[in-house]
Amino acid sequence: NAGVTQTPKFRILKIGQSMTLQCTQDMNHNYMYWYRQDPGMGLKLIYYSVGAGITDKGEVPNGYNVSRSTTEDFPLRLELAAPSQTSVYFCASSDPYEQYFGPGTRLTVT
Amino acid sequence: RKEVEQDPGPFNVPEGATVAFNCTYSNSASQSFFWYRQDCRKEPKLLMSVYSSGNEDGRFTAQLNRASQYISLLIRDSKLSDSATYLCVVKEAGGFKTIFGAGTRLFVKA
Repeated sequence: NAGVTQTPKFRILKIGQSMTLQCTQDMNHNYMYWYRQDPGMGLKLIYYSVGAGITDKGEVPNGYNVSRSTTEDFPLRLELAAPSQTSVYFCASSDPYEQYFGPGTRLTVT
Repeated sequence: RKEVEQDPGPFNVPEGATVAFNCTYSNSASQSFFWYRQDCRKEPKLLMSVYSSGNEDGRFTAQLNRASQYISLLIRDSKLSDSATYLCVVKEAGGFKTIFGAGTRLFVKA
């Protein structure tokens, strides 16, 4: 079972570049989330979605955008990358309580 | 005060030991509680939900004290494979806000 998949696994960006982190789940979950995890820190919620067409900001949304056109996909867009966005990004889905995470994307901005 | 606080550790214990982790949360209206496990450079995975009456899953026992806003996880007969970071997770009532603690690191040694 695939569960939650994320691409890419690793990426190095230059300051000011943009990119989209992909997230797909095959469990037909309504709820999806994007988190970032900095070294030695807990997960911080960036954006979440309660269903196709509905998204909302989490704790640290600045510098990011999301869309949810289908139940399965929840891409995260970084515009004008900054060194402060160097982190590990996790996508998760739930229906509704227990969250299942993807393997993460390690992003470095230099 | 942090919304979810955990002792960061690390806890270094020998195989076979019993170890307990504590977690406190600040929002008395919180509804659901979980323990997740995160291995180094991997995604968090659900270990167990925490119920008001307390619950046990093999060597793991979770307890909730709503009056003191306190959650605990007890691991008996520690195995080398239990070495990981344990995340306390609290979900607020009526919404989708999920707060992750920064985690407690456990090292089990032979």
